[in-house]
Amino acid sequence: GDSVTQMEGPVTLSEEAFLTINCTYTATGYPSLFWYVQYPGEGLQLLLKATKADDKGSNKGFEATYRKETTSFHLEKGSVQVSDSAVYFCALSEYNTDKLIFGTGTRLQVFP
Amino acid sequence: EAQVTQNPRYLITVTGKKLTVTCSQNMNHEYMSWYRQDPGLGLRQIYYSMNVEVTDKGDVPEGYKVSRKEKRNFPLILESPSPNQTSLYFCASSSPTGETQYFGPGTRLLVL
Repeated sequence: GDSVTQMEGPVTLSEEAFLTINCTYTATGYPSLFWYVQYPGEGLQLLLKATKADDKGSNKGFEATYRKETTSFHLEKGSVQVSDSAVYFCALSEYNTDKLIFGTGTRLQVFP
Repeated sequence: EAQVTQNPRYLITVTGKKLTVTCSQNMNHEYMSWYRQDPGLGLRQIYYSMNVEVTDKGDVPEGYKVSRKEKRNFPLILESPSPNQTSLYFCASSSPTGETQYFGPGTRLLVL
């Protein structure tokens, strides 16, 4: 079945450092791809999404590009802030369904 | 304000004592689902509902029940909780297919 693999955490960075969190997927159809963020004690919030190959999703300085040839959707940010500390989940939704399949999550810790 | 609410937010119970976690959304969404979040496993879907009176199993349905009598509500029922159901539970809703899912704040359950 479809699956999502993302890098293990925690990722520890200093403020203003460059961030990459890797995400790869396996899917039989044409999934949509998502990054969700979970701040401490809160539910998941959609950070960005892409619905077809070569689409770039972006929000709050984060971006990710849907790469069909490498089945990847890596999350990047040029300059992280302490307030970006959270758990980040990569997910896909199977074609023409609302079911989300999540990766295991990557904890990001940003220090001043 | 568009939101998904869950109650209770925290619950400690004992093995075998029936409990219900409520979920309600005010966005008139057709699709609703329940996930559980466990360390190292990410989020896994328990049950979902495409509309009123239409429910189906997700990936980990054993030990759970749901109902969808009204469009806005989707309660999760544990008839006889066991310690392996200790977890963080999230309700989510969306409309239409492929659109963003909105998550509730989560319910942390401890079964002793």
